[in-house]
Amino acid sequence: EVQLVESGGGLVQPGGSLRLSCAASGFTFSSYWMSWVRQAPGKGLEWVANIKQDGSEKYYVDSVKGRFTISRDNAKNSLYLQLNSLRAEDTAVYYCAVLKGQDYWGQGTLVTVSS
Amino acid sequence: DIQMTQSPSTLSASVGDRVTITCRASQSISSWLAWYQQKPGKAPKLLIYKASRLESGVPSRFSGSGSGTEFTLTISTLQPDDFATYYCQQYSSSSMYTFGQGTKLEIK
Repeated sequence: EVQLVESGGGLVQPGGSLRLSCAASGFTFSSYWMSWVRQAPGKGLEWVANIKQDGSEKYYVDSVKGRFTISRDNAKNSLYLQLNSLRAEDTAVYYCAVLKGQDYWGQGTLVTVSS
Repeated sequence: DIQMTQSPSTLSASVGDRVTITCRASQSISSWLAWYQQKPGKAPKLLIYKASRLESGVPSRFSGSGSGTEFTLTISTLQPDDFATYYCQQYSSSSMYTFGQGTKLEIK
């Protein structure tokens, strides 16, 4: 059974940092591009970042460039998202997902940026 | 960057109706378009990929069409389980994706 399990969300003050993790199982993690997608409360889906199978290519939506960093550890079947300089508008449920070649999603982890 | 515009934002319909949702891309994306269904509190579910290919297990009442910049999702005969929010998503390159703003399908 395919599973993507996110963790690391929580309440953080503006300007703070968080590191999200996504543990993958049930498929060959190292064979797929991985993505982070977020959804602010009551809003639509927003693609955040992609990372190539070997980690050699990374892409971000403009609103997070320079603040967020996507990474992966294929030996641990894990995906990460480092969130720095957080703003109120980064408040959202963050999903890790396989969007290319398959349709796998985690259950999401909530990040709340508030003082 | 490629922008995706969905219409309408909200659609009211009845069980048994045929409904169509439109998605426009700001530049050509060939057929690199997917449609997702999302229900409250749940992760999205892929319905259609490559503009018109039905994902395995998705009922045949769902269909997609279009290429270039204009795309449609059609539900031929609405069922009670279909009331949800629908998103288009372009993936014309591996590098950067974009979702449409969503269409909420409500019961009339």
